[in-house]
Amino acid sequence: GAGVSQSPRYKVAKRGQDVALRCDPISGHVSLFWYQQALGQGPEFLTYFQNEAQLDKSGLPSDRFFAERPEGSVSTLKIQRTQQEDSAVYLCASSFSRQGAGEQYFGPGTRLTVT
Amino acid sequence: RKEVEQDPGPFNVPEGATVAFNCTYSNSASQSFFWYRQDCRKEPKLLMSVYSSGNEDGRFTAQLNRASQYISLLIRDSKLSDSATYLCVVNPWETGTASKLTFGTGTRLQVTL
Repeated sequence: GAGVSQSPRYKVAKRGQDVALRCDPISGHVSLFWYQQALGQGPEFLTYFQNEAQLDKSGLPSDRFFAERPEGSVSTLKIQRTQQEDSAVYLCASSFSRQGAGEQYFGPGTRLTVT
Repeated sequence: RKEVEQDPGPFNVPEGATVAFNCTYSNSASQSFFWYRQDCRKEPKLLMSVYSSGNEDGRFTAQLNRASQYISLLIRDSKLSDSATYLCVVNPWETGTASKLTFGTGTRLQVTL
């Protein structure tokens, strides 16, 4: 069956540009997570949705980062006025269970390079 | 101090060798523990959960020592296909919050002929 998909797979942005990254979770998965993975590091939590409700955004590094999941399925992570330190792979994960207690399935990620 | 600490490696081992990775975590209240595998430029995938009693899945054995806040992964009879980065993952699982997985930096394994 279809896994988690993300688009675009690669994005190059000039410093100061806004970007939008999309995540299509596995159908029926209630929980959706965004993680940021810098080069040579493990993924770091950004934010969590249960259906359409954003229940935790404690990991978002600044107010330039904004995420939404308006209909409880597809999610978009938006980064405004991108900076070089935003360069990373952005991973989306979904889970069937509430609060993501079950296995989290990761998408292939969007590799963002800010020049 | 990082919440989850791992030796980044790389560990270079010949095919057929046994290799062990260790990981320590700082949050004593953490509830669940995992090893994920991440191939180069790919997403992390769950390798196995780690239980207090220890668990085994084929050539892979995971152990948890809650008193020492220490997790290990043992790979026996290494295969070339085991070459990857192994991420130690802890879920603090605080009541009422989501499962915010906390990842170590990963340990890179390279299995050679």
